[in-house]
Amino acid sequence: DSGVTQTPKHLITATGQRVTLRCSPRSGDLSVYWYQQSLDQGLQFLIQYYNGEERAKGNILERFSAQQFPDLHSELNLSSLELGDSALYFCASSVGAGGYTFGSGTRLTVV
Amino acid sequence: SQKIEQNSEALNIQEGKTATLTCNYTNYSPAYLQWYRQDPGRGPVFLLLIRENEKEKRKERLKVTFDTTLKQSLFHITASQPADSATYLCALETNFGNEKLTFGTGTRLTIIP
Repeated sequence: DSGVTQTPKHLITATGQRVTLRCSPRSGDLSVYWYQQSLDQGLQFLIQYYNGEERAKGNILERFSAQQFPDLHSELNLSSLELGDSALYFCASSVGAGGYTFGSGTRLTVV
Repeated sequence: SQKIEQNSEALNIQEGKTATLTCNYTNYSPAYLQWYRQDPGRGPVFLLLIRENEKEKRKERLKVTFDTTLKQSLFHITASQPADSATYLCALETNFGNEKLTFGTGTRLTIIP
């Protein structure tokens, strides 16, 4: 157990639907990062939150959004889902400059 | 454009030998370079971090070098074991106002008994 908790572990949904992925960072970590990993793209940075505020944005689609709540957990919302959104979605947290701790991921399958 | 390349998609090494993985980057000025291990279907696990002003870092059987002139990092696993088989990812972190970590595509290492 890395200390970063992601739910659900698996999600199967239809095209056009909306889903919410949840992440609880390691205790004490203020930063949360979301990454997408597909077979052909590797790990792609989506977005970072620090203590409730958006800090950095990567190649995140407009159909995707995220937020970090006062208790520091974060949610990634994916809407108007397409087949190409099928991937592993990872959340990571860190306390500052140093190694990131990743969760075990949510495997999203869009059918 | 910015690019991170890891030497090969797959590397097979005999058990007991040293495995050496390469990470090259272009158009980056990284503050830190990190190495992660990823097993199939699992999240990456942090192994080592090396700063731009450091040449070498060691941790047990692992050694990382960082050459900012060559824009290259080498990752060594000595006395390799079958349990070391995994995908290894290098990642760069710049400190230009954010802490975004950018990953290479990884090298799949197989240690053959």
